[in-house]
Formats: sequence, C-alpha cells, structure tokens
Amino acid sequence: QKEVEQNSGPLSVPEGAIASLNCTYSDRVSQSFFWYRQYSGKSPELIMSIYSNGDKEDGRFTAQLNKASQYVSLLIRDSQPSDSATYLCAVNNSTGGFKTIFGAGTRLFVKA
Amino acid sequence: SAVISQKPSRDICQRGTSLTIQCQVDSQVTMMFWYRQQPGQSLTLIATANQGSEATYESGFVIDKFPISRPNLTFSTLTVSNMSPEDSSIYLCSATANTEAFFGQGTRLTVV
Repeated sequence: QKEVEQNSGPLSVPEGAIASLNCTYSDRVSQSFFWYRQYSGKSPELIMSIYSNGDKEDGRFTAQLNKASQYVSLLIRDSQPSDSATYLCAVNNSTGGFKTIFGAGTRLFVKA
Repeated sequence: SAVISQKPSRDICQRGTSLTIQCQVDSQVTMMFWYRQQPGQSLTLIATANQGSEATYESGFVIDKFPISRPNLTFSTLTVSNMSPEDSSIYLCSATANTEAFFGQGTRLTVV
C-alpha cells in the first residue's frame, strides 16, 4: 500500500467552478499535511498546510483534514485557468524523521 | 519559509561520469533532503542529509551511487555517480522549516 494516495486524474473543471482534490494516507501517526502545486517544469510550491482536524481556509483554497478517516482534501473555489497544474498531497511526521512523503499528484485542468 | 538555491539548474552528462549538485539555504534549517522526480512521476525521497555525519538513505538508494555531504546547517551536495541514462531525472533539494518543506528550483539531469 502506498503511503500517500491520490487520484492521478486528470481532473477537468470549467472556469469558476469548485475543484475538489482528495488524498488518503496510511500512517496513522502522521502529524502534518500539505498541498503543493507544481507547474510543468517547475518545483513544487507549498500552498496549504494543515495540522488539526477540520477546515482551513486561505483565499480561494480550503484544506480539510479528517485524521480518523486518514483523509485530506483541497478545495479550490472559483477555479481559474492559472490553477491548471499538478497538485501534490504530502504528509510528514516527527517519528518518521520529519521526512515529507508525497503522493503521485493529481493533474488539474481548468477550462476557460 | 526558506529560500533555497540549487545549481546547476540543468546539465547534460556522459554516461559513466559523475555530477555534483549544490544546495544552499538562506537560513539555518534543521532538516535537508534530496528528492528525485522522474518524468511524469511524483517526488521520491533519496536521503536525509545529516549535518556532519553520513546521510540516511531510503530503500533503493545507496551511498556509493548518491554520496551526500552536509558540512554545515545551510549547505549540502548530492553527487550522482557513474551515471547511466536511467539517472536522467530532476533532482530536488529540500529544506524543512517547522515541518513545512521548501524546494530549490531543481536540477534537470540528462545522461547520454
């Protein structure tokens, strides 16, 4: 079983819609959860971090965490063509030596 | 956050040769890591760069192939030794601040 699993997509949404990206993880002791955005040919860019159950909002982005279900999601409201990228879910825990483990990524296309 | 400078940004190398990639962080960080990202794939952790001691390698990666140095808190190098075309990939340096991982711009390596 992969440590961090994501649907590889591609996920295609029209401009202005809500994009919903999902992620599950296998290690129950994971403490920190992240979403990265990676444009083609570029390095990953941290867009959201979440550490406790519930929702965390930052502008058009909302991260949701449910530790009981080992589930993390990212909602992008009012999606724009510039949001088209690969979104990587990542987890980290201190017992794992603070290593950040990444999912395979979900490719998102926002159609104008 | 941490600003990470990585060089070279790209290189084309002959098989059998070695390439050393340098990573400089603008502030003192506890953890530094090296990742590999093969075309169309997610990030795979190669090793944790430990200051003043041998790096901690992940399964499938060995010191003879990927020697790593970290002489101080802000600098690390990764060498890709005895290269083959299968080593063609993007290599990324990462530094972790408060569990959040930040990345250099990556080194795109092509082995011919």
